[in-house]
Amino acid sequence: SQQGEEDPQALSIQEGENATMNCSYKTSINNLQWYRQNSGRGLVHLILIRSNEREKHSGRLRVTLDTSKKSSSLLITASRAADTASYFCATDRYRAGAQKLVFGQGTRLTINP
Amino acid sequence: DAGVIQSPRHEVTEMGQEVTLRCKPISGHDYLFWYRQTMMRGLELLIYFNNNVPIDDSGMPEDRFSAKMPNASFSTLKIQPSEPRDSAVYFCASSFSLKGTGELFFGEGSRLTVL
Repeated sequence: SQQGEEDPQALSIQEGENATMNCSYKTSINNLQWYRQNSGRGLVHLILIRSNEREKHSGRLRVTLDTSKKSSSLLITASRAADTASYFCATDRYRAGAQKLVFGQGTRLTINP
Repeated sequence: DAGVIQSPRHEVTEMGQEVTLRCKPISGHDYLFWYRQTMMRGLELLIYFNNNVPIDDSGMPEDRFSAKMPNASFSTLKIQPSEPRDSAVYFCASSFSLKGTGELFFGEGSRLTVL
């Protein structure tokens, strides 16, 4: 099963509104990352939050992490049409002597002009 | 830096043919990852290397898949023989991180269609 599970699977809002996406995970983590993927392109790193951090900001992005609930949220404020993309959370996972990033299924965000 | 470079961007082949996907990571990065993305299964990690050595290949679907990293600037993912269920977008990513779970830099992907 996926380590990170995003919800909602799809979100459609009007330009200027805020968009909130959530990610839940199952096992303990060292850090959690959020990535964006535009249609037909590769993933682009947005922000990394460590397990000892609760909140982090980057421009119009705000990420929170609640390790007790094993969940994270990504807030995009004052959304723009260019924010239309899929957003993925990724958590580090240790298995079989190796550490790696595991991605969720993503949230498809559509910003309507 | 040009970023992670993948080739080909698109490949259409027939079942049974050999497919080779190529990746040039960002110079100086010591981790290289191969992911596969499909609508049904999302983004799956196939294999990753550290300093050209395969660390975890538990995600490689079966023996038809193989990956190599002969040097720090080049990696290949080979499928032989290919099957229609291998149709997907294959991403290469590189990273500079002591633990291999830092920020990943992705290429634009290779879209494979097996007929």
